Amino acid sequence: DTAVSQTPKYLVTQMGNDKSIKCEQNLGHDTMYWYKQDSKKFLKIMFSYNNKELIINETVPNRFSPKSPDKAHLNLHINSLELGDSAVYFCASSPSPSGVYNEQFFGPGTRLTVL
Amino acid sequence: AQSVAQPEDQVNVAEGNPLTVKCTYSVSGNPYLFWYVQYPNRGLQFLLKYITGDNLVKGSYGFEAEFNKSQTSFHLKKPSALVSDSALYFCAVRDKMSNFNKFYFGSGTKLNVKP
Repeated sequence: DTAVSQTPKYLVTQMGNDKSIKCEQNLGHDTMYWYKQDSKKFLKIMFSYNNKELIINETVPNRFSPKSPDKAHLNLHINSLELGDSAVYFCASSPSPSGVYNEQFFGPGTRLTVL
Repeated sequence: AQSVAQPEDQVNVAEGNPLTVKCTYSVSGNPYLFWYVQYPNRGLQFLLKYITGDNLVKGSYGFEAEFNKSQTSFHLKKPSALVSDSALYFCAVRDKMSNFNKFYFGSGTKLNVKP
């Protein structure tokens, strides 16, 4: 059973398009995250939701909008895609939003290529 | 500002030899430190963490890390490397200024284990 899953795995699209990436976790965790990994493998947090509530919102263009319909799902919608949005986007989850003993569980990633 | 640094982009080691992947941190007070591994085309997997207590932390796949407060380091080690250990390794620190599990990741170190 896949713990944290993401769809699609690959996404190739044109500049200016709008696209969504979906994430689901079956671990029963309360907290979910979106990370962006650039071409140099640098990993940076974008958003975090706890029980459908936004708790971390880093300096990210407002073209990026996360949505959490329930605590098992966290989707990422990107409007007006730009070349610089090309990256691998990782979803992650953890049991709680603040327990220091809680490591994060990562999905396999979605490789977004904007042409 | 809180951060971790991984001074080596790449580490090469022969199978059977000991390996060390370096990480230094910049955190006021006691840090919460983590190591993750990323295999090709996969999400990050948790290896081990230091929260408090014994400075030598043991983790998955035979890895261990030593917390050294005087040197502000948290180097990842393994006594005998395997070819299958070849992957990208990330050090991370939890943001102590945040009420939530917000992590800062290092730039990653690619470990190459040659037969």
